[in-house]
Amino acid sequence: AQSVTQLGSHVSVSEGALVLLRCNYSSSVPPYLFWYVQYPNQGLQLLLKYTTGATLVKGINGFEAEFKKSETSFHLTKPSAHMSDAAEYFCAVSDRTTDKLIFGTGTRLQVFP
Amino acid sequence: DSGVTQTPKHLITATGQRVTLRCSPRSGDLSVYWYQQSLDQGLQFLIQYYNGEERAKGNILERFSAQQFPDLHSELNLSSLELGDSALYFCASSARVANTGELFFGEGSRLTVL
Repeated sequence: AQSVTQLGSHVSVSEGALVLLRCNYSSSVPPYLFWYVQYPNQGLQLLLKYTTGATLVKGINGFEAEFKKSETSFHLTKPSAHMSDAAEYFCAVSDRTTDKLIFGTGTRLQVFP
Repeated sequence: DSGVTQTPKHLITATGQRVTLRCSPRSGDLSVYWYQQSLDQGLQFLIQYYNGEERAKGNILERFSAQQFPDLHSELNLSSLELGDSALYFCASSARVANTGELFFGEGSRLTVL
């Protein structure tokens, strides 16, 4: 069965600092991996996804993530945080045989001026 | 705007009652997913329908049921409600059967059980 672990339920950074949100997955088959963002009082929206091909994936709003099979990780980064990045971020995994996304518990990102 | 519409946005009811949450997927999307988001359980997959048929089942309680209608809208029925059912219920849709792509989420229905 697939699972996702997000290390750190809360991350705080200063505006302009590097953002690093950690995600490790467990999957018995090559996974499809996703990062979703949830702004207050809104639904989730896709930031980026890895299915096949290039392991460094670029998403919206300057975010990117790298699929590292040897480390079973898919960490999300952004070189310079902006106040508007404050939100909750969810890592998710989907295998290639079922139709559901399994989400991590989420990481709330706070950005201080 | 994701194109997924959920109603009602807020619902307050009492224990033991029954409620129905409604979801209209994006135009053309055949798959509908229901998720429950609560503080203690996080985001839990409940059930998925594809073109009217149940496709995948997750942690959905027996007191809960869902269906997808010929016009592709879906309803999630929650009965014999308990305090612990208070949560944000999300509907999402996608065009594909297999989850290799993007899910489009509605803004959720917040259920409060008193």
